[in-house]
Amino acid sequence: GESVGLHLPTLSVQEGDNSIINCAYSNSASDYFIWYKQESGKGPQFIIDIRSNMDKRQGQRVTVLLNKTVKHLSLQIAATQPGDSAVYFCAEDYGQNFVFGPGTRLSVLP
Amino acid sequence: KAGVTQTPRYLIKTRGQQVTLSCSPISGHRSVSWYQQTPGQGLQFLFEYFSETQRNKGNFPGRFSGRQFSNSRSEMNVSTLELGDSALYLCASSSGQFEQYFGPGTRLTVT
Repeated sequence: GESVGLHLPTLSVQEGDNSIINCAYSNSASDYFIWYKQESGKGPQFIIDIRSNMDKRQGQRVTVLLNKTVKHLSLQIAATQPGDSAVYFCAEDYGQNFVFGPGTRLSVLP
Repeated sequence: KAGVTQTPRYLIKTRGQQVTLSCSPISGHRSVSWYQQTPGQGLQFLFEYFSETQRNKGNFPGRFSGRQFSNSRSEMNVSTLELGDSALYLCASSSGQFEQYFGPGTRLTVT
């Protein structure tokens, strides 16, 4: 499959453990954020989003936390599974288009 | 509902040539955005079309252009290809709300 990033930060977690992926965003005026998952050979897949008037949002096995004070976003994945292995991107709504973070590679160990 | 489709999936071109990539959005979606993804630069926004009009544009040279048809299908064109244009080109469609749905991408290799 295509190489998404050769020098991405990598997070390795044991299967069944919780994963926390972090992202720093740049624009304090951004009011909407998305987390995407990209598997090898595929386009980014929407996971969860959050608006700036919220601090936390939960989905199925995933939680996004937003700290506007320090411009920080995190994605928590509960009970990480082998199928969660992928590159994860945060994206901020930069006024008129989305700006993506560099991505984090999540590797799930058996 | 069928997802976003992109054609071709893989393409090899020579420097100086031009290329046209195609994107068919999810049925009912009127917004189509294009992104370039490279290992070094990550995902970078190229442009967005909505109802056949370019609504937003990223910071790419004029060699990169696009258009959208009345059925919302979109094409992007890169003229005078350079080696640095080798990338995965991703198309994303949206209904106009914020959530974007990506296609599988077109892998362009310039030799």
